[in-house]
Amino acid sequence: DQQVKQNSPSLSVQEGRISILNCDYTNSMFDYFLWYKKYPAEGPTFLISISSIKDKNEDGRFTVFLNKSAKHLSLHIVPSQPGDSAVYFCAASATVTGGNEKLTFGTGTRLTIIP
Amino acid sequence: DVKVTQSSRYLVKRTGEKVFLECVQDMDHENMFWYRQDPGLGLRLIYFSYDVKMKEKGDIPEGYSVSREKKERFSLILESASTNQTSMYLCASSLVTGELFFGEGSRLTVL
Repeated sequence: DQQVKQNSPSLSVQEGRISILNCDYTNSMFDYFLWYKKYPAEGPTFLISISSIKDKNEDGRFTVFLNKSAKHLSLHIVPSQPGDSAVYFCAASATVTGGNEKLTFGTGTRLTIIP
Repeated sequence: DVKVTQSSRYLVKRTGEKVFLECVQDMDHENMFWYRQDPGLGLRLIYFSYDVKMKEKGDIPEGYSVSREKKERFSLILESASTNQTSMYLCASSLVTGELFFGEGSRLTVL
């Protein structure tokens, strides 16, 4: 049972345009969400996160939006740059027990930025 | 600079062999995790540990075991490797949930 879903395995975007990566979740106990970026032959690196008490978090070119009622979050990258080409993983956790909860990851979306 | 080091980047083993994957972190993190990454399946949690000598099963623990004798070291053990354990294995550590720091991964091929 895939509790975190990224329905687009791949996405191609022109350099300078907006990239929008989507993620859906089914577990209503999830209250903390993260995006990780992974280059080939490297481990994933943390990109941005959002708590369920917020609906938007911004960090430079990266913005994450959370729609709790739809159990949906999205990552916006503006403007997209060639270095953004990577696999992006959405992840979620339920912190109701006070922390130390494991992350559940989605299947990933491969983003390709076309120069 | 934070560092999670996995002992082997690439390994080739035969079916039935015992395999050890080692992971060391230098950040004094309490939590350590082992994931495997497979195409179309994302990252799946095998085992995790919140303290020395402590371990918890993740989502896919079958065929694996772990050892955490020291805070900085978390080992993944495949008692008898099988071809369906061919995968990329990723170790991670964290202070609190979220913001995992990952190693570079160990690509294991079982023939």
